[in-house]
This record gives sequence, structure tokens and C-alpha cells, in this order.
Amino acid sequence: AQSVTQPDIHITVSEGASLELRCNYSYGATPYLFWYVQSPGQGLQLLLKYFSGDTLVQGIKGFEAEFKRSQSSFNLRKPSVHWSDAAEYFCAVSDFGNEKLTFGTGTRLTIIP
Amino acid sequence: GAVVSQHPSRVICKSGTSVKIECRSLDFQATTMFWYRQFPKQSLMLMATSNEGSKATYEQGVEKDKFLINHASLTLSTLTVTSAHPEDSSFYICSARDGRGTGNTIYFGEGSWLTVV
Repeated sequence: AQSVTQPDIHITVSEGASLELRCNYSYGATPYLFWYVQSPGQGLQLLLKYFSGDTLVQGIKGFEAEFKRSQSSFNLRKPSVHWSDAAEYFCAVSDFGNEKLTFGTGTRLTIIP
Repeated sequence: GAVVSQHPSRVICKSGTSVKIECRSLDFQATTMFWYRQFPKQSLMLMATSNEGSKATYEQGVEKDKFLINHASLTLSTLTVTSAHPEDSSFYICSARDGRGTGNTIYFGEGSWLTVV
């Protein structure tokens, strides 16, 4: 069965600093990979997704993620965070396109001035 | 853009009662919706796939008689937790597939916090 691990429960970053959120997956074939963000009181918003092709994926809000098959990882990065990036971030994997998703436990991002 | 709305966002109910959570696609028709549940410090777990006009498909380990799903229209799916118990307290979130064009994009609702006392 597929699974997703987000090893960091909570990360604190200074505004303007770079960010990397880790995601590791377990899946037999090439997975479909996603990053979602959830702000308080909001639904999950898709940041980016990887289906195939270029392993470096650009998303919304200045985020990018890199698929590394050898490491079974799909880490999310942003070169300079803004206070509005404070939220919960979820990595997810699917083998049915983007329908049935298996989520990680999420990483809560706090931004300090 | 497309929006999926859930109601209520928070609900407290007494043990043994039933509670209904609604998931609406506000500006598109959703033939398929998905219900997820998240317990504290755990992942979002898919509970069931809701198909308009037909029975829902439940994931292994999810009691279909306890978690009743109705998808009677193309814009509304409901999840009813019957005879709720404290262990049903959780975060429930739905998603809906917008099949217009070639996007086939999934949109999530805001989620509903259920507390059973």
C-alpha cells in the first residue's frame, strides 16, 4: 500500500528565509504527487502536482518541488517565505490521477518576523 | 475559481445522536465527491467515494451503515454520522472533481470539525 511521510510536524522560519518541507513516499510504481496548503478556516488548496516529465515542478505562490525517485522524495521549497505562508502543508500521493489521495500527516509552518 | 463549501464547519453533538455534514460544489457540477477523515496527529484518510445517483464506495474498514453518504444531486453530497460516539470525533473534509474541460481538477472543502460528547 502506498504511504506518505512528512517527518517534520512543525517548522518555524523567519520571514524572508528559505524553506524546505520534506516529503517521502512509499509506492511501487511512479506515483502522482501533490502538495496542498491549508490556512485556518480554509479548504485544502493545491500548490503543485507532479504526474510525469520534468522532475522540478513549479507551483503557485512561488513554491516549487522536486521529485527524486532515488530518494522517494518530493520536497517542497520556497526561496523566501512571507508571513502569509504560515499554514498547514500536506503532501499526498495517488495512483488514480488526482482522485483518491493518500496524505501525509502535515507540517505546520510558523513564520516569525 | 471553483469553490467547494462544507457545512457546518464545527458541530458538537451528543453521543448516540446523528449528525449530517454537507458538501456543496458552488459553481460546477460534481459527479464524484470524496470524503476524508483526519484524527489528531494522523493523516487525512479517504473514507468513501460518493457518486451522484448511485451508492457510495467505501474504503476498507469504514462502516457504511454508520457513515451514510448521499449524493442525490450534482452539487451536493452529504455525510451522516449515525449513532455518533466520542471516537467519531474528528475532522471531516470533502473534495469534488470538476470535470469541465480537460482540467479534471479536485477542489477541497473547508472541512468540518465534529465533536461528540
